[in-house]
Amino acid sequence: SQKIEQNSEALNIQEGKTATLTCNYTNYSPAYLQWYRQDPGRGPVFLLLIRENEKEKRKERLKVTFDTTLKQSLFHITASQPADSATYLCALPPSGGYNKLIFGAGTRLAVHP
Amino acid sequence: NAGVTQTPKFRVLKTGQSMTLLCAQDMNHEYMYWYRQDPGMGLRLIHYSVGEGTTAKGEVPDGYNVSRLKKQNFLLGLESAAPSQTSVYFCASSYSGGDTDTQYFGPGTRLTVL
Repeated sequence: SQKIEQNSEALNIQEGKTATLTCNYTNYSPAYLQWYRQDPGRGPVFLLLIRENEKEKRKERLKVTFDTTLKQSLFHITASQPADSATYLCALPPSGGYNKLIFGAGTRLAVHP
Repeated sequence: NAGVTQTPKFRVLKTGQSMTLLCAQDMNHEYMYWYRQDPGMGLRLIHYSVGEGTTAKGEVPDGYNVSRLKKQNFLLGLESAAPSQTSVYFCASSYSGGDTDTQYFGPGTRLTVL
């Protein structure tokens, strides 16, 4: 079965630095990958989607890469701010299905002033 | 637009009691989902619906039932609650569930089963 791995340890960085979060997956090749942000006590909110034929996608200070050979996506936040502190989840469609998503457990990011 | 709303926000049950969680969306979305989120395990799909009157099992359906009598509502039922069902439950919806569709989530229901 498909498995998604995100670093379970929190990532602590200084304000202004670039945060890089990793999402690794196994056992299949998804057609796309999504990233969500989740704040404490709230539901996840969609941030970015990247397709398998796209190497990179940008949105303001966010950048996502998708390496289908390494089976890995990297999520970057440049010029990070304390307001970026949250848990970031990656999500993939399951093998053979496109109307559902499988979510990783998420990585908590803490940006310190 | 309210987006996706969930009722109630918090609930405490005793083992064996039953309850229904209500999810409502005002975006005219076809697809709706129920997830549970536990520490370290991420979101796990319980049941989902691809349209009014339809339901399907997700990854962890045992102990839960669902109904989608109206397009805008998706109900999650626990017939006989167990402590293992203590979790935070999220409802989500998407326009078509297509190959790039994103999901919109509700604020969650925190359920404790004693």
